[in-house]
Amino acid sequence: DGGITQSPKYLFRKEGQNVTLSCEQNLNHDAMYWYRQDPGQGLRLIYYSQIVNDFQKGDIAEGYSVSREKKESFPLTVTSAQKNPTAFYLCASRNIGQGRGSSTDTQYFGPGTRLTVL
Amino acid sequence: SQQGEEDPQALSIQEGENATMNCSYKTSINNLQWYRQNSGRGLVHLILIRSNEREKHSGRLRVTLDTSKKSSSLLITASRAADTASYFCATDGGANSKLTFGKGITLSVRP
Repeated sequence: DGGITQSPKYLFRKEGQNVTLSCEQNLNHDAMYWYRQDPGQGLRLIYYSQIVNDFQKGDIAEGYSVSREKKESFPLTVTSAQKNPTAFYLCASRNIGQGRGSSTDTQYFGPGTRLTVL
Repeated sequence: SQQGEEDPQALSIQEGENATMNCSYKTSINNLQWYRQNSGRGLVHLILIRSNEREKHSGRLRVTLDTSKKSSSLLITASRAADTASYFCATDGGANSKLTFGKGITLSVRP
């Protein structure tokens, strides 16, 4: 799982509540990503950030929010507007390489947080 | 949207056999990567192949890329029970440093 930590490992939420998932990396990577994984659907990109204080929506950003106040931290908030939040959430980071196809094109993943709505 | 599509969705083999997994994609890429995921864990990067490469090896892994057919294959030779996991291909189109993942292949290696 490299130098990326996610907490908590398991999270339970009541309907209507906002919850925040933590992601921290000590790899000095520029870019950070949040993915959602559902059974049979692989990974879908929620939000990503390439630099501090800037982030972009991914494919399924509705009902989620993020912040990037520090290089090493990229917390994800699952809001009450997310209609089906039960899923496995994965955070990743990457050092934006100088050249195409460089080894820094790989992403390093955290261990994940499993969110269950009760 | 998911660009990579892996084939087969599930694969069960005997220990010692070779496992071949395929991935197809739709648009041009800078590189294609394969990742592994053990149940309930994060993904681990296995191997990256660039768009100007045709074949690459890493230990028991061999990956090929055919950009004319927009497809890649991952071969695991002499499989072990510990290779049991889900395998994902991911394409890097070079735009905004995003990866697009397929749905994954579940590999079971029987001891």
